[in-house]
Amino acid sequence: EPEVTQTPSHQVTQMGQEVILRCVPISNHLYFYWYRQILGQKVEFLVSFYNNEISEKSEIFDDQFSVERPDGSNFTLKIRSTKLEDSAMYFCASRDTGVGNTIYFGEGSWLTVV
Amino acid sequence: AQTVTQSQPEMSVQEAETVTLSCTYDTSESDYYLFWYKQPPSRQMILVIRQEAYKQQNATENRFSVNFQKAAKSFSLKISDSQLGDAAMYFCAYRRGPNDMRFGAGTRLTVKP
Repeated sequence: EPEVTQTPSHQVTQMGQEVILRCVPISNHLYFYWYRQILGQKVEFLVSFYNNEISEKSEIFDDQFSVERPDGSNFTLKIRSTKLEDSAMYFCASRDTGVGNTIYFGEGSWLTVV
Repeated sequence: AQTVTQSQPEMSVQEAETVTLSCTYDTSESDYYLFWYKQPPSRQMILVIRQEAYKQQNATENRFSVNFQKAAKSFSLKISDSQLGDAAMYFCAYRRGPNDMRFGAGTRLTVKP
């Protein structure tokens, strides 16, 4: 069964450093998402991406965050200058066309900022 | 704003028994989608079941079924014949249209052997 893959599975970074989290969505999917889950808290929406542009973003997704689809397969989340509070599990997700189609999640990238 | 409420932070069930996890949501929309996701200790988000709001029939997936009450804005998950592998965090989620999904705070399910 096709799946969303994410790398790295775990990254530790110094506060103030830039981090890039990578995702390979399911190949025929056109909608891409990033979600965040701080330890012990609910999963929160960050951003959605369609047709090479951001279609919606939450208040969490400020100027420190950016997304990119640099080629036909990867979808990346960049955090420019990490803060301690950015420590969380970051989930990439994707879905096919069709407004009701299910969103499939990757296994997550656990980011620890020290 | 749409909100999703899971009023049970923790639930426990005996192996082979049935358990129901509660979820309510707030929306003014008539067309939307509801989901239950399972998050085991590995922390991966796994889709358990989905329900389209325009469908009156409750969704079922093997041992998992939902009780969707649109007027009451309630969407509970029933797990029958509980297995040890069902132990996980369960998140109820709401989605309107193509974009973001709103999650509840989760219910941690423990299955006792």
